[in-house]
Amino acid sequence: DAGITQSPRHKVTETGTPVTLRCHQTENHRYMYWYRQDPGHGLRLIHYSYGVKDTDKGEVSDGYSVSRSKTEDFLLTLESATSSQTSVYFCATTPGQAYEQYFGPGTRLTVT
Amino acid sequence: QQQVKQSPQSLIVQKGGISIINCAYENTAFDYFPWYQQFPGKGPALLIAIRPDVSEKKEGRFTISFNKSAKQFSLHIMDSQPGDSATYFCAASMYGTSGSRLTFGEGTQLTVNP
Repeated sequence: DAGITQSPRHKVTETGTPVTLRCHQTENHRYMYWYRQDPGHGLRLIHYSYGVKDTDKGEVSDGYSVSRSKTEDFLLTLESATSSQTSVYFCATTPGQAYEQYFGPGTRLTVT
Repeated sequence: QQQVKQSPQSLIVQKGGISIINCAYENTAFDYFPWYQQFPGKGPALLIAIRPDVSEKKEGRFTISFNKSAKQFSLHIMDSQPGDSATYFCAASMYGTSGSRLTFGEGTQLTVNP
């Protein structure tokens, strides 16, 4: 798992509440990514980071924001959770100048 | 816009048989094509990958075949085992200044019967 942990691993929250998911890595990888996984859609990129304080949007970024204040942590925030954001969220990392992405164990989020 | 199409959605194979999963892509700028394996409750794990300058890559029982002109690539699992039962994702990527962004196929759930 390339030293990637995600917290929490499971969360149930109510519609309209803010939620923050955390990804922590111990490999000093430069690039970090947040994906969501839904049946029939594979994994879709939400946001990614190419360095501390350097982030950019992926293909499904609406309703999500991210922050990266230090190399090892990448936070994903759902500003006001909706039922359509019920999903499994995966963090991934890549060392500099490499293609391979290494995934964390995931966070299952349910929005009621 | 789905740039990587994967088929079939599900596949059932007998132990010892060959499992074949196919993917097609649209963007000719992609230059890295990995396959990921995912077991229930786990994150995807890189299985094997290929660059477009190679037509085939083999690692143990797993082989990627790549057809650049057709913009297609496939995963072949030889001598399939019950332990291979998992969901498989193909992906395509291009490397830029912001790193490598993967575009995934929809996934194939493989079941290998004993």
